[in-house]
Amino acid sequence: QKEVEQNSGPLSVPEGAIASLNCTYSDRGSQSFFWYRQYSGKSPELIMFIYSNGDKEDGRFTAQLNKASQYVSLLIRDSQPSDSATYLCAVNLSGGYNKLIFGAGTRLAVHP
Amino acid sequence: DAGVIQSPRHEVTEMGQEVTLRCKPISGHDYLFWYRQTMMRGLELLIYFNNNVPIDDSGMPEDRFSAKMPNASFSTLKIQPSEPRDSAVYFCASSLGQMGGYTFGSGTRLTVV
Repeated sequence: QKEVEQNSGPLSVPEGAIASLNCTYSDRGSQSFFWYRQYSGKSPELIMFIYSNGDKEDGRFTAQLNKASQYVSLLIRDSQPSDSATYLCAVNLSGGYNKLIFGAGTRLAVHP
Repeated sequence: DAGVIQSPRHEVTEMGQEVTLRCKPISGHDYLFWYRQTMMRGLELLIYFNNNVPIDDSGMPEDRFSAKMPNASFSTLKIQPSEPRDSAVYFCASSLGQMGGYTFGSGTRLTVV
């Protein structure tokens, strides 16, 4: 079992719709969770982090965390073509390490 | 702040040659990470440093790979000898403390022919 799993996509949504990206992780003791966006040919860029169960909102982005289910998601409201990118879920392993393990990423395509 | 700076941006080398990748982390950050990204394997952590000390190098694929951080503002990743399967994008990232996310550099695209 991979430590961080994501559906590779592509996830295709129309402009203005809500895009929902999902991620599961295997380390039950993980405490911090991150979403990165990576445009083709560019480096990953941090867009959200979440530490506590529940929802965290930042503009059009909402991160959701359910530690009991070992599940974290990212919602993008009012999707724009400029949101088209690969979204990487990252989990910081437990045990006092500062070690982000990344999922393979989900490719999002927002079409006009 | 200039962000994490990596050099070179692109490197093409012949199999068997030595390759050195360079990274300057964000000033004040105490953690530095080297990742490798390929289509097949995604983003893999190779090694990371805390206060210039290597903490975990379990991701370094072989003895051909080595990394150093002689001071807080500079790190190198060396591959000797290089092989075609080392072709990938190598990212350096840094962070302040353990709770925040990482800031990535622009990466070095390595091609070994």
